[in-house]
Amino acid sequence: NAGVMQNPRHLVRRRGQEARLRCSPMKGHSHVYWYRQLPEEGLKFMVYLQKENIIDESGMPKERFSAEFPKEGPSILRIQQVVRGDSAAYFCASSHDSPLHFGNGTRLTVT
Amino acid sequence: AQTVTQSQPEMSVQEAETVTLSCTYDTSESDYYLFWYKQPPSRQMILVIRQEAYKQQNATENRFSVNFQKAAKSFSLKISDSQLGDAAMYFCAYRRAGAQKLVFGQGTRLTINP
Repeated sequence: NAGVMQNPRHLVRRRGQEARLRCSPMKGHSHVYWYRQLPEEGLKFMVYLQKENIIDESGMPKERFSAEFPKEGPSILRIQQVVRGDSAAYFCASSHDSPLHFGNGTRLTVT
Repeated sequence: AQTVTQSQPEMSVQEAETVTLSCTYDTSESDYYLFWYKQPPSRQMILVIRQEAYKQQNATENRFSVNFQKAAKSFSLKISDSQLGDAAMYFCAYRRAGAQKLVFGQGTRLTINP
């Protein structure tokens, strides 16, 4: 049973480009969460999704960030017009019930 | 809003010794869960131990145990017989019962001295 799969592992984007981060949850998990980790900080909740529904997006920045979890395929976290402050590690986690299982994260670097 | 505080940015311990990492939290809820996660340089988030607030007995997992003081809102992690592989960032986290999202502390970087 593969764990939570995130790709790419590293992503470099220039300012103004778009970043797409993908997350495939563990088999049988229907809940997906995205967290962001700035350097030397803990993880901060961004968004919680179930299939085709956003349940809680209270941690998402109001602009440029969006997330989806379609009926088929991975969950996508999309960041438009990236800025240097978006540089961070983005973690996906999934669950069917507690506890959460985390992926290894995508490190986004904006140059 | 719930908050989690780890007051020790860095800790170090001699191999085979015991170390305790501190965590306090603030909540008005009575039913919740507390967690310790380990993050090695690989960046993977590994669940170390979990405590249900309604349980008075402290959770233990092999060399890892917690001291859960509900009234004081304290949740420390004790690592016994420290090993080199224990070196990592350790994060304390809180989740309200019935909610889904975790609230993390700032982390403690643990160094093991051989």
